[in-house]
Amino acid sequence: KQEVTQIPAALSVPEGENLVLNCSFTDSAIYNLQWFRQDPGKGLTSLLLIQSSQREQTSGRLNASLDKSSGRSTLYIAASQPGDSATYLCAVRELNRDDKIIFGKGTRLHILP
Amino acid sequence: EAQVTQNPRYLITVTGKKLTVTCSQNMNHEYMSWYRQDPGLGLRQIYYSMNVEVTDKGDVPEGYKVSRKEKRNFPLILESPSPNQTSLYFCASGQPPDYGYTFGSGTRLTVV
Repeated sequence: KQEVTQIPAALSVPEGENLVLNCSFTDSAIYNLQWFRQDPGKGLTSLLLIQSSQREQTSGRLNASLDKSSGRSTLYIAASQPGDSATYLCAVRELNRDDKIIFGKGTRLHILP
Repeated sequence: EAQVTQNPRYLITVTGKKLTVTCSQNMNHEYMSWYRQDPGLGLRQIYYSMNVEVTDKGDVPEGYKVSRKEKRNFPLILESPSPNQTSLYFCASGQPPDYGYTFGSGTRLTVV
């Protein structure tokens, strides 16, 4: 059974620092992996989608990498800002499973001004 | 703008009073799904639909119904809500085969 783990559960860093969020998954037979951002009590905003054949995706200050064989993905945030404070979730869609994606429980990020 | 729209955003109701949460997408996506989010439990799938008139249970379907009579709409129905259905609900859509998910803004439901 696929399990998605995000460690740490919470992270506080000073503004301006570069940081890395981690996501691991137990079964490497995935179609893609998606990173989301969620502000408190709000919806999920898709940040980056990485297909299984890709190694990384970039959008502005965000860079997501995927190492399917080791079951790991990282989300790199450059020059962090207080507005980056949110919960970041990763989710995988398994091969031959069109019915759902499996979420990690998220990392709650707090950027200190 | 491509989006998934849920209504209402907030809802307080009493035990046993039937309610419907609507979900509509304007991207012509075949796939739609409902999730609930609870502290400590994360996001859990309730129901999903691979296309019109095709629906199936997710991980926590008890107490919920759905329908998919047209491609754009996927309402979530609680026929007799109970307090344990108090939660934050999300609708999502996507287009196979290599799709990512687009989520709605959420519906915060409180059942008293």
